[in-house]
Amino acid sequence: ETGVTQTPRHLVMGMTNKKSLKCEQHLGHNAMYWYKQSAKKPLELMFVYSLEERVENNSVPSRFSPECPNSSHLFLHLHTLQPEDSALYLCASSQDLGIPEAFFGQGTRLTVV
Amino acid sequence: ILNVEQSPQSLHVQEGDSTNFTCSFPSSNFYALHWYRWETAKSPEALFVMTLNGDEKKKGRISATLNTKEGYSYLYIKGSQPEDSATYLCAFNGGFKTIFGAGTRLFVKA
Repeated sequence: ETGVTQTPRHLVMGMTNKKSLKCEQHLGHNAMYWYKQSAKKPLELMFVYSLEERVENNSVPSRFSPECPNSSHLFLHLHTLQPEDSALYLCASSQDLGIPEAFFGQGTRLTVV
Repeated sequence: ILNVEQSPQSLHVQEGDSTNFTCSFPSSNFYALHWYRWETAKSPEALFVMTLNGDEKKKGRISATLNTKEGYSYLYIKGSQPEDSATYLCAFNGGFKTIFGAGTRLFVKA
């Protein structure tokens, strides 16, 4: 148990659906991250938030829309996804950007059909 | 383009064997090197954060070394046990972003 909780654990959605992934941490961390892991590829950083402000967006398509309403919660809103977006989406948090040791959630396994 | 390479991609050992694997990373703009252990269906778990050239860290039977000048880190497992079976990830932090390697998948057979 790392203190970072992601829901749902599994999600199957059609290409026309809209869904959201949720991440919650009560570790008192100020930085939160979304990562994507596609099959047999390294973890890819998608978004970084620090103190609820987005500080990095790694050329992620606009069909992925992050939201950080407060320092404990991070969402990833999904709409009109493609089958190639099927992957494991991991959320992580760290004390601050300058202290990058990350605590990860268990991930959401997303399948787009 | 910054690359973090891990080798081997996968490794099969017998219980009791000692093993090691490698993480190669850029030798410039180094800030920290992380090792994570990722068991199937669980969260990646931080093992070590290494920041100084020549650092050696140890946690039980697992240890790691760091060479920032040549850009590599080794992870060692002494006397492997079946519960050590996992993917071991390294991540290079260059101060501006963290880049992960693809991992070494370790299988320990009883």
